Amino acid sequence: KAGVTQTPRYLIKTRGQQVTLSCSPISGHRSVSWYQQTPGQGLQFLFEYFSETQRNKGNFPGRFSGRQFSNSRSEMNVSTLELGDSALYLCASSKDETQYFGPGTRLLVL
Amino acid sequence: GQNIDQPTEMTATEGAIVQINCTYQTSGFNGLFWYQQHAGEAPTFLSYNVLDGLEEKGRFSSFLSRSKGYSYLLLKELQMKDSASYLCAVRDTGGSYIPTFGRGTSLIVHP
Repeated sequence: KAGVTQTPRYLIKTRGQQVTLSCSPISGHRSVSWYQQTPGQGLQFLFEYFSETQRNKGNFPGRFSGRQFSNSRSEMNVSTLELGDSALYLCASSKDETQYFGPGTRLLVL
Repeated sequence: GQNIDQPTEMTATEGAIVQINCTYQTSGFNGLFWYQQHAGEAPTFLSYNVLDGLEEKGRFSSFLSRSKGYSYLLLKELQMKDSASYLCAVRDTGGSYIPTFGRGTSLIVHP
């Protein structure tokens, strides 16, 4: 069974730009969660989607948004990028209590 | 909310045993996870405890005491490849399936 995939793997943007990251969950998994990971803050929850609806949301500003499609694939968007948005963005899919993570997208904002 | 505490860094010798502790405070406990994360890679699932006691899985074991808000991950017969960050994550009963992660313990295994 294929694992969680994320594209792109690496991305360089400049302040003020926007970015869209994509995540394809494991087949049959309807829940997709997004996390931001930085050395200083660890793994911080962004939001979770289930059946195309945002089910849970972390404490991030409105510049961070997401959506989920009918095939459970999910995208997250960050608008008006700031230097502090440089991080590893991880997507995780789940069918029950266990989350399975993708390889992440490493975003660098210059 | 939740508060999860684990040591920042530990070192151990190849072949030895190491215990990584995690303490937590939560208003309603609904499961504890351990993940392993190698540098530059995604976290991978190691264990899930929801009842008190020890769960053994090969060289790795995880223990939970709900009354003490305490868990540990035990790694036996350490190998160099076990050098990684170990993340403790706790889920509460607040209606969300989303666990809160600790900052991780960086384990360095040396020869």
